[in-house]
Amino acid sequence: GPKVLQIPSHQIIDMGQMVTLNCDPVSNHLYFYWYKQILGQQMEFLVNFYNGKVMEKSKLFKDQFSVERPDGSYFTLKIQPTALEDSAVYFCASSNRLGGAETLYFGSGTRLTVL
Amino acid sequence: QQQVRQSPQSLTVWEGGTTVLTCSYEDSTFNYFPWYQQFPGEGPALLISILSVSDKKEDGRFTTFFNKREKKLSLHIIDSQPGDSATYFCAASDANYNVLYFGSGTKLTVEP
Repeated sequence: GPKVLQIPSHQIIDMGQMVTLNCDPVSNHLYFYWYKQILGQQMEFLVNFYNGKVMEKSKLFKDQFSVERPDGSYFTLKIQPTALEDSAVYFCASSNRLGGAETLYFGSGTRLTVL
Repeated sequence: QQQVRQSPQSLTVWEGGTTVLTCSYEDSTFNYFPWYQQFPGEGPALLISILSVSDKKEDGRFTTFFNKREKKLSLHIIDSQPGDSATYFCAASDANYNVLYFGSGTKLTVEP
């Protein structure tokens, strides 16, 4: 089936540094999402993105977070500066339509460890 | 406030048995309820979904039931197989479809 690729699969950084998580969504998808998962637990919605803009974000999407997809390239999540509590697995997802009966396709995640 | 509650947290069944996972929700505007299956080291993948206009949807060994009055849904897996061992998440969204809220997941182990 359609694949969402996430790069890198694992990133270790020191607290306070900047990190950029990259997502290559399914080619014809227009809606993009980031979710955060701690210790294999609940998937928490962070943000969704469409037509170059953030549509909705949760309270977990702190001011230190930003997303963009310049010129149809990677959909990125940038955290600057990072904090210890940002350690988690971050999943990117994409869809043809904004949720609903349309499927969200998830990547395999980027495990972020903040030391 | 947790939008979607899921139980049990973990479950072990014997091969060939029936697995039942349950979820409940609060927001009456939710009308789309997918179930996702996640294997270790992978992202969640859609297993089956149901809209609130239906009360049952079947796909092979997997059936999801929806009870609008009680705001509950369930996933039944018949003839459970070791390959079904994974974490299962229920989820819900409203008609705006902006946010998909996930339950806390059920780790299923199917013993041969």
